Amino acid sequence: KNQVEQSPQSLIILEGKNCTLQCNYTVSPFSNLRWYKQDTGRGPVSLTIMTFSENTKSNGRYTATLDADTKQSSLHITASQLSDSASYICVVSEVVSGGYNKLIFGAGTRLAVHP
Amino acid sequence: GAGVSQTPSNKVTEKGKYVELRCDPISGHTALYWYRQSLGQGPEFLIYFQGTGAADDSGLPNDRFFAVRPEGSVSTLKIQRTERGDSAVYLCASSLNPRGMNTEAFFGQGTRLTVV
Repeated sequence: KNQVEQSPQSLIILEGKNCTLQCNYTVSPFSNLRWYKQDTGRGPVSLTIMTFSENTKSNGRYTATLDADTKQSSLHITASQLSDSASYICVVSEVVSGGYNKLIFGAGTRLAVHP
Repeated sequence: GAGVSQTPSNKVTEKGKYVELRCDPISGHTALYWYRQSLGQGPEFLIYFQGTGAADDSGLPNDRFFAVRPEGSVSTLKIQRTERGDSAVYLCASSLNPRGMNTEAFFGQGTRLTVV
């Protein structure tokens, strides 16, 4: 079964600190890997998208890395802000019959940034 | 509209009742997805539409769940004989080109369904 696993399940950090979230996946064939941010009561919002040929991608204070050989990804958040408090979900695209990208979601890491 | 719109935002229904959840995708997006998210979990795939047809309904849990997209835009997720285990947030997403390597999928805010 294709799976996306994330760690830690939850994380508390102080405002201004950095943190790194992890994602391991077994999805194959693999098209791309995305990181989404989901605020409480809202739908997920995309932060980064990387294909298998990309190693790193940044979006402001968010930097995602991808190692397609080991099937691991990380999301690094720099100089955290209170507004970073949310769930961060790793999503891997599986190429299915018909050629469309089927999104497989991890359970997410719940990040809380405290003042 | 500017984004994916889902209505209602909240729905409380009694066990055994029928419910309909509506999704208005971004104008021009041919691909539409429904997901279900239980508390503390990531979204789970239910069904994918390309245009008017359900190209992949492998995620629908049983025959009480059905979805339509008759004109290739608005979609309705229908749940018959609701059970307490159906309580979850139902998310809809749309995208322009589902085959594109970097195609972005945009999500609505979801409908929180509570079956009592």
